[in-house]
Amino acid sequence: SQTIHQWPATLVQPVGSPLSLECTVEGTSNPNLYWYRQAAGRGLQLLFYSVGIGQISSEVPQNLSASRPQDRQFILSSKKLLLSDSGFYLCAWSVHRGGGYTFGSGTRLTVV
Amino acid sequence: AQTVTQSQPEMSVQEAETVTLSCTYDTSESDYYLFWYKQPPSRQMILVIRQEAYKQQNATENRFSVNFQKAAKSFSLKISDSQLGDAAMYFCALNSGGSNYKLTFGKGTLLTVNP
Repeated sequence: SQTIHQWPATLVQPVGSPLSLECTVEGTSNPNLYWYRQAAGRGLQLLFYSVGIGQISSEVPQNLSASRPQDRQFILSSKKLLLSDSGFYLCAWSVHRGGGYTFGSGTRLTVV
Repeated sequence: AQTVTQSQPEMSVQEAETVTLSCTYDTSESDYYLFWYKQPPSRQMILVIRQEAYKQQNATENRFSVNFQKAAKSFSLKISDSQLGDAAMYFCALNSGGSNYKLTFGKGTLLTVNP
């Protein structure tokens, strides 16, 4: 079966510290992968997406970066976190337009 | 550019009653897909229902159905026999082209179900 794993579930980090969030997919090949951020209370903002290994598209200029070292692995990183990086981060995958996304369980990041 | 608008930030419904959540969208594409996602307090995003633009028949999934009005670019979600477990944030989303399969989401409607 197709599953998506995202970790950690919760993270509290000091300002200026690095960040690494990981997402892996099982049961499918060559998925499109996405990182979204959801600020307190509302909508989802697309941060990055990838249509293949090493291919990263950035939607919003920011303090974050993404990498896809393997077909089913997607990593969200930062060298130095800002307070404004706090939020709920969701990873998702898709293999065809009509299927929509399957989301991971999310990471709640608090930068203090 | 494609946009999705959910004009109701919050809605409430009595248990066992019916509620309709509104969504309008804009796209220049003729071939697209529309989705409703549910985000309960756990914050796990769950796909509720999907609709392909070329299909005139409205999609249904158990107690969930949509009213797809293509000319009006409207895609509302009807929840029948509302249950306490339906309480969640509901997001409307649009995929209208490109091999990247990007979804554009509305800002969401928070649904409260009153016992």
